[in-house]
Amino acid sequence: QVQLVQSGAELKKPGASVTVSCKASGYTFTSHYMHWVRQAPGRGLEWVGVINPSGGTRSYGQQFQGRVTLTRDTSTSTDYMEMSSLTSEDTAVYYCARDGRGSSDFADYYFDYWGQGSLVTVSS
Amino acid sequence: QSVLTQPPSASGTPGQRVALSCSGRNSNIGRNYVCWYQQLPGAAPKLLIYKNDQRPSGVPDRFSGSRSGTSASLAISGLRSDDEAYYYCATYDDSLYGAVFGGGTKLTVL
Repeated sequence: QVQLVQSGAELKKPGASVTVSCKASGYTFTSHYMHWVRQAPGRGLEWVGVINPSGGTRSYGQQFQGRVTLTRDTSTSTDYMEMSSLTSEDTAVYYCARDGRGSSDFADYYFDYWGQGSLVTVSS
Repeated sequence: QSVLTQPPSASGTPGQRVALSCSGRNSNIGRNYVCWYQQLPGAAPKLLIYKNDQRPSGVPDRFSGSRSGTSASLAISGLRSDDEAYYYCATYDDSLYGAVFGGGTKLTVL
């Protein structure tokens, strides 16, 4: 069965960086794009970005350009999201979510499996 | 301010049919497939509908989706108490080059 297991909660100070990991299993890792979505406390869902199956192409939400980097290690089937210059506004649960298409060429931008979420708290 | 517009709340009684709306514009719903997610308290979102009206395996046929122009709708028939959750619509936006979500509708089963 498909599983996405994310790293644990993080507490960071303003201005710091954080890296969240997402280990995939139960499917061919290099056949699906991976997205990242965040949810601030009591708020809705916000798309952060997407990485293609080989890890060579990434696309980011406009509000995250220059502050987020998505990478993947195909040898361990693990995706990573790094966010820098954190502020209190970045306090949120961050989810990895698999693209449902199952193609190495295109993403369909619907998310059929989600990780359990990683809480990132930014506080001085 | 979310790109897609959803009413913040909706309600119904057990057994009833409810419809949740989602409105956008040509650059998003007007040109791209819509999907819907259900989020229970403290849980990750779950895919309910993709490509406007397709249900993943395991999602009951009580849930159905539709799209018309720049709006979409999620209908839930035979409402149950465990349908009480937040529901989010989402799609791709050609102008923003990424996924966009609605603000979510909190469904209460009275």
